[in-house]
Amino acid sequence: SQQGEEDPQALSIQEGENATMNCSYKTSINNLQWYRQNSGRGLVHLILIRSNEREKHSGRLRVTLDTSKKSSSLLITASRAADTASYFCATDARQAGTALIFGKGTTLSVSS
Amino acid sequence: EPEVTQTPSHQVTQMGQEVILRCVPISNHLYFYWYRQILGQKVEFLVSFYNNEISEKSEIFDDQFSVERPDGSNFTLKIRSTKLEDSAMYFCASSPTASISTIYFGEGSWLTVV
Repeated sequence: SQQGEEDPQALSIQEGENATMNCSYKTSINNLQWYRQNSGRGLVHLILIRSNEREKHSGRLRVTLDTSKKSSSLLITASRAADTASYFCATDARQAGTALIFGKGTTLSVSS
Repeated sequence: EPEVTQTPSHQVTQMGQEVILRCVPISNHLYFYWYRQILGQKVEFLVSFYNNEISEKSEIFDDQFSVERPDGSNFTLKIRSTKLEDSAMYFCASSPTASISTIYFGEGSWLTVV
C-alpha cells in the first residue's frame, strides 16, 4: 500500500507554539499533498510538494519531503486557535486517474 | 475562487432506499473522484472518473454504487440500496489533470442511513 500514515495521531499545543506533524508512506509517489479538515467540514488543500522537491513554504506552513525515507513533515509555525483541525497527508501516484491515498490524520488542538 | 459544490449537505434515508449524491466539479477539470469518510475514520477512495468512464475503483465501490456524468456539469454518485454501514460523509473532488495537480474537494454530503 502507498498509504500515508501520520504521526502523532493527536497533538495539543498552546497558541504561539510550533506544531509538527509527520507522514510516512510505502511506495514511490509523484507528489504528496497535505489537507486540513475542520470538524465535520470538507477537505481544504494546503500544499503540494512534488517528488523532486525537498521543501516548500506557504505562509506559516513548511513542508519537507524525504523520498529516501518515504516521509514528509508539516510544520505550522506560530500556531493559532484557528489552526485547530485534523491534518491529513495524501500520497499521489496518479497516472491514469488513480487515486490520492489518505492517511489517518493528526488531530491538532491549539489552545489560547 | 472556483470550488466543487455538493448537494445535499445532509441526507437521512431509510435502509434499502436509493440515494443520489450530486456534485458540480470545477468547470475546466477533467478528472472526478468520490471519497467517503466514516465518522472518526480516515478518508477512503471510492472511484475516479475520466472521459465518461471509471478509471479506477476501490473494493468499497461494489455493485451497489454507480457514478454518472449526466450532463456537462454534474457528477453523481448513486447508492442503490443503502445499508447502515453506508452512513458517512461523501466527498466529491476534481482535478484538471491526472497527475501533479491539486485535487479540490467539496464540502461533502453527510449521509445517515437509519
